[in-house]
Amino acid sequence: EAQVTQNPRYLITVTGKKLTVTCSQNMNHEYMSWYRQDPGLGLRQIYYSMNVEVTDKGDVPEGYKVSRKEKRNFPLILESPSPNQTSLYFCASSLSTGTGPYGYTFGSGTRLTVV
Amino acid sequence: GNSVTQMEGPVTLSEEAFLTINCTYTATGYPSLFWYVQYPGEGLQLLLKATKADDKGSNKGFEATYRKETTSFHLEKGSVQVSDSAVYFCALNPYSSASKIIFGSGTRLSIRP
Repeated sequence: EAQVTQNPRYLITVTGKKLTVTCSQNMNHEYMSWYRQDPGLGLRQIYYSMNVEVTDKGDVPEGYKVSRKEKRNFPLILESPSPNQTSLYFCASSLSTGTGPYGYTFGSGTRLTVV
Repeated sequence: GNSVTQMEGPVTLSEEAFLTINCTYTATGYPSLFWYVQYPGEGLQLLLKATKADDKGSNKGFEATYRKETTSFHLEKGSVQVSDSAVYFCALNPYSSASKIIFGSGTRLSIRP
C-alpha cells in the first residue's frame, strides 16, 4: 500500500531532551515536507526537501533540523525541544510539488507534547 | 504575498443539507488550488483540485470552481452525509514557488443525523 509512515504517533517529552520523528514513504517520491498544525493557524511548513541531500527552510524552521540521506526517509529532529513546539506534526510527500494529479500524500501525524 | 482565507467554523448542518465552505486566495501569477479533508485522527487527504481559471474540481459529490475574477474556490456539496464530518482545508500552490502548498486555517464541519 502506498503510504507515508510517521513514528511515533504520540510523544510526550521534557524540555531540552533531543528527539527525532521519523518519516518514510514507499512511493519513490522526490519531494517531502514537514508541517505543523496548530489551532486557528492551519498548517505551516517547517522544512522541505526537493530530493536527496537537498533541503530548505519553510515558514517556521526555528528549533528544527532535517536530513535527507535517502529518498524514502525524511526525519524531523528537535535538538532541544521547548513547550512552544507542542503541536501536531505531519510529514507529506509528492512526486513533484503538489501540482500533480495526486497532490500531497500525508502521514497520519505525530502529536508531540513538550512539558 | 500568497495566502488563503477560508470561513471560520465550526459549521453544523443536518444530513442532506446543502454545503458551502467559502475560500478566497491571494497569489501572484496563476496558482493551483486544492481542497484537502482531514477525518478525525488521520492525516490530510486530497479531495479535489483545479489548476487554471474556470476549472471545476470534483470528487465524492464535492465540487469547487476556480474563479480568477473573484479569487475564490468555494467548496460545495448538494446533500451532505454524516460521514462528511471532518475538517476541510483550502490550499494553493503558488505558480512562483515550487516549494510548498499554502493552507488555510481549516473549517470544521459537523453533520447531524
